Amino acid sequence: GIQVEQSPPDLILQEGANSTLRCNFSDSVNNLQWFHQNPWGQLINLFYIPSGTKQNGRLSATTVATERYSLLYISSSQTTDSGVYFCAVGTSGSRLTFGEGTQLTVNP
Amino acid sequence: DGGITQSPKYLFRKEGQNVTLSCEQNLNHDAMYWYRQDPGQGLRLIYYSQIVNDFQKGDIAEGYSVSREKKESFPLTVTSAQKNPTAFYLCASRQGSGANVLTFGAGSRLTVL
Repeated sequence: GIQVEQSPPDLILQEGANSTLRCNFSDSVNNLQWFHQNPWGQLINLFYIPSGTKQNGRLSATTVATERYSLLYISSSQTTDSGVYFCAVGTSGSRLTFGEGTQLTVNP
Repeated sequence: DGGITQSPKYLFRKEGQNVTLSCEQNLNHDAMYWYRQDPGQGLRLIYYSQIVNDFQKGDIAEGYSVSREKKESFPLTVTSAQKNPTAFYLCASRQGSGANVLTFGAGSRLTVL
């Protein structure tokens, strides 16, 4: 099956710093999503981005499908950004494969 | 408000017992999914269903069973055959073809004593 690799596995920032999270995948995909999991376990969809670039406030994402990677940018980080960020990819409309996640800690 | 409701939020079970986790959605979504998450790891797909009365095994289906008798409901049974059932279980749904964004419930945390 498709392999998903996220980096870095852990990231510690001071409030206000910027960061870039990376997701590499092993095969062509037509579905790529970024999620944030808060400390209580709830997953929230951040972006549906199989290709191209999107922005939502301080977050933006870029997927270069031909090179099989996606980047999630977090600018001016806040303590509420802490949690685990997951990339999930799929080659059909029915299922997604998740990476192991990046654990982000933003300190005040 | 539309969403996915999982219950119970916390569940303790003795070894050898079956337990059923509930997942109900009022989003009118066609597809529903069950994922398992272990500490410090990503999500692994257990079962999924794209339409009523049909479901497919995911990557780790052994020791689990599901049913999809109604569009809004997709319960997961963790059977005694599951060797290491202690985990965080997440239910998700997706509207259907052409709309691929997954929406998740709040999760159920199962602990086997």
